[in-house]
Amino acid sequence: GAVVSQHPSWVICKSGTSVKIECRSLDFQATTMFWYRQFPKQSLMLMATSNEGSKATYEQGVEKDKFLINHASLTLSTLTVTSAHPEDSSFYICSARGGSSNTEAFFGQGTRLTVV
Amino acid sequence: QKEVEQDPGPLSVPEGAIVSLNCTYSNSAFQYFMWYRQYSRKGPELLMYTYSSGNKEDGRFTAQVDKSSKYISLFIRDSQPSDSATYLCAMIGAGGTSYGKLTFGQGTILTVHP
Repeated sequence: GAVVSQHPSWVICKSGTSVKIECRSLDFQATTMFWYRQFPKQSLMLMATSNEGSKATYEQGVEKDKFLINHASLTLSTLTVTSAHPEDSSFYICSARGGSSNTEAFFGQGTRLTVV
Repeated sequence: QKEVEQDPGPLSVPEGAIVSLNCTYSNSAFQYFMWYRQYSRKGPELLMYTYSSGNKEDGRFTAQVDKSSKYISLFIRDSQPSDSATYLCAMIGAGGTSYGKLTFGQGTILTVHP
């Protein structure tokens, strides 16, 4: 399958600082990228959907000013957690899809964020 | 009611057993179905992708879709300890609010013991 690279794989930051997570599609052009959050032993919760060159569409309850998403190119999307707090500690996963809306999505390795 | 229901398990089977994982869904707009495997602290890995009712086989894995019953299954034959992971079903809608979005089940934790 296609390769999606997510970086960093884990990060620890101090409360109040911002953290940027990158998601790259390595061997295909990702017209759509998705950002998920996953708590321990729970399923993935979709945070937002981004299409290249457009503003991201956020799911209900997700603060767009706190979770900034940029999808500036067909191979790169970034998620910035601004003014992080301990409750933002979680596993963040991106996925990317090329082509039409009914094609499968491929996932990055995930980023474990710990805010202390 | 959640759009996609999946028994979280955990499911524990001996090596060599046949494993059956199941999901039900309520949204008729779901037309594309996937199964992902997720190891601890890793991103999900796509196992199977189907879009029509019936069976699709890939090695030891068989995905089954019954759109009339809104029910999908993943069968794992000759299960191995390396199959121990969380298995997630996921669906994409062809219209409405679920258009183009992946909706996941809760995931089933599977352990295959030697």
